[in-house]
Amino acid sequence: AQTVTQSQPEMSVQEAETVTLSCTYDTSENNYYLFWYKQPPSRQMILVIRQEAYKQQNATENRFSVNFQKAAKSFSLKISDSQLGDTAMYFCASVENFGNEKLTFGTGTRLTIIP
Amino acid sequence: DGGITQSPKYLFRKEGQNVTLSCEQNLNHDAMYWYRQDPGQGLRLIYYSQIVNDFQKGDIAEGYSVSREKKESFPLTVTSAQKNPTAFYLCASSYGQSFQPQHFGDGTRLSIL
Repeated sequence: AQTVTQSQPEMSVQEAETVTLSCTYDTSENNYYLFWYKQPPSRQMILVIRQEAYKQQNATENRFSVNFQKAAKSFSLKISDSQLGDTAMYFCASVENFGNEKLTFGTGTRLTIIP
Repeated sequence: DGGITQSPKYLFRKEGQNVTLSCEQNLNHDAMYWYRQDPGQGLRLIYYSQIVNDFQKGDIAEGYSVSREKKESFPLTVTSAQKNPTAFYLCASSYGQSFQPQHFGDGTRLSIL
């Protein structure tokens, strides 16, 4: 079974600074997908960014980018120029078994942006 | 606007009672999912359905039941057999392919009276 580990339960950073959230995963598949989801205080899960394992290029979405290290099974999220609205729980997730899309989530990192 | 609607937002269950959480989507998605979220834990999959009239157990299906009679609807029943039902429940849907992200509803908070 696949596993996803987020080793940082909580993090805080000053507004406008850059922060990196860590995620490691374990899978026996060669092809899979990785996601970062954001859960603000409203509790709705919002997709931040996704990475396809067969693509070597790291995904970017505006201020959000990932550092995907396939050999190390690492998938960290970098938030640049952090904003107050970035305050949320961030979950790393993976999906491997094609055909059923079973997402496996990490336990999350609570990120607080300090004004 | 297309989206996923979960109701109610808050739900209370008495001992020995079954309760049903509603999930409706108008995104024309084929697949739908139910997750449970507890404090300090990530989301755990309860049930999922890839097509109408078919569904599979997830990692923590005991004490729960679902139906998928319509493409748009995927209700979750928390039965009296679920001894620790207090949690936040999230419904999601997608087009049914692994690279397509899942879209989530706003969730239902279930508590025991």
